[in-house]
Amino acid sequence: AQSVTQLGSHVSVSEGALVLLRCNYSSSVPPYLFWYVQYPNQGLQLLLKYTTGATLVKGINGFEAEFKKSETSFHLTKPSAHMSDAAEYFCAVSDRGGRRALTFGSGTRLQVQP
Amino acid sequence: NAGVTQTPKFRVLKTGQSMTLLCAQDMNHEYMYWYRQDPGMGLRLIHYSVGEGTTAKGEVPDGYNVSRLKKQNFLLGLESAAPSQTSVYFCASRTSGGALEQYFGPGTRLTVT
Repeated sequence: AQSVTQLGSHVSVSEGALVLLRCNYSSSVPPYLFWYVQYPNQGLQLLLKYTTGATLVKGINGFEAEFKKSETSFHLTKPSAHMSDAAEYFCAVSDRGGRRALTFGSGTRLQVQP
Repeated sequence: NAGVTQTPKFRVLKTGQSMTLLCAQDMNHEYMYWYRQDPGMGLRLIHYSVGEGTTAKGEVPDGYNVSRLKKQNFLLGLESAAPSQTSVYFCASRTSGGALEQYFGPGTRLTVT
């Protein structure tokens, strides 16, 4: 069974500071990995995904994530936080079987201080 | 192109009442999913469908039923609502091909009193 662990349910950074949101996964097969963002009272929007190939993945809004197989991690980073980045972020892993469903982490709420 | 839409957006039910949540997508996607979101637990898969006329159970299916009579619609039913079903419900869809990401609807906030 797959699982995703997001360390830190709440992260607070100052505007302009580095954003680092941690995600570790467990999977018996090479995973497909995703980061989604959820703004208040909205659905989930895809930030970026890793399937195969380059382990450093760039997404929207200046975010990127690096797949590290040896550490079973897929941490999300952004060099400089903006107030508009305040949201909840979910890491997810997709199974490769017939259903292709997502298993989500519990989420990290990012707060950006002025 | 509206993407994935959900109706209703909000609903309050009394314990024991029934209701149906509707999900519609206009992207001709094969796969559709129902998730529930609870604080501190992320999203959990309730039921899913890999094509018209097919449905299957996810991780938390108890108390829910689904139907996929038309490719574009995926209905989630609660036959006898319980307070434990108070949650935000999200529908998602995706293609069966190479693109792996799921597209999510805006959610339905359900309160059962």
